[in-house]
Amino acid sequence: GAVVSQHPSRVICKSGTSVKIECRSLDFQATTMFWYRQFPKKSLMLMATSNEGSKATYEQGVEKDKFLINHASLTLSTLTVTSAHPEDSSFYICSAREWDLSTDTQYFGPGTRLTVL
Amino acid sequence: DAKTTQPNSMESNEEEPVHLPCNHSTISGTDYIHWYRQLPSQGPEYVIHGLTSNVNNRMASLAIAEDRKSSTLILHRATLRDAAVYYCILGRGNDMRFGAGTRLTVKP
Repeated sequence: GAVVSQHPSRVICKSGTSVKIECRSLDFQATTMFWYRQFPKKSLMLMATSNEGSKATYEQGVEKDKFLINHASLTLSTLTVTSAHPEDSSFYICSAREWDLSTDTQYFGPGTRLTVL
Repeated sequence: DAKTTQPNSMESNEEEPVHLPCNHSTISGTDYIHWYRQLPSQGPEYVIHGLTSNVNNRMASLAIAEDRKSSTLILHRATLRDAAVYYCILGRGNDMRFGAGTRLTVKP
């Protein structure tokens, strides 16, 4: 399968600061990327859909002003957690859609563990 | 969204085949069937996906029922490294929703 990377893998920040997480598709171009969040012992929850060159679409209950998403190129999407608070501590996972005549699926990054003190 | 039903947990012995079932009676004609697995503190790993025909790759096989209302992920020889949560997801690549999955335990 295709490869998706995330950076950083872990980040610890102070309450009130902002954190940026990068997601890259390494061997294919992705017009659509996704951001998920996963709390301990829970399944992944979709936060937002990021389309290259346009505004992201957020799931109900996800604050778009808090979780800023930018998808400026076909291989890079970024998620910025603004004014982070301890309740934002979670495992954030991105994915990228690979879509052509023969396939339509997503490949996931390794995740970023965010801890807000 | 199309829904899937998977057992909460399954056990297998090392070096034996494992058949992980998934029911999806409300699947639509354009829905792919995707399988991922996840280890603790890691992102989901792609396993396999298919539309109508059975699929094989180096990791697993996907057997899709003729009416597409169920499918089975087959690991041909389980190893300890196959212990993970396995997710069966329906849909196109633009909309995937994760359920609880099946926790596979592999016994040595």
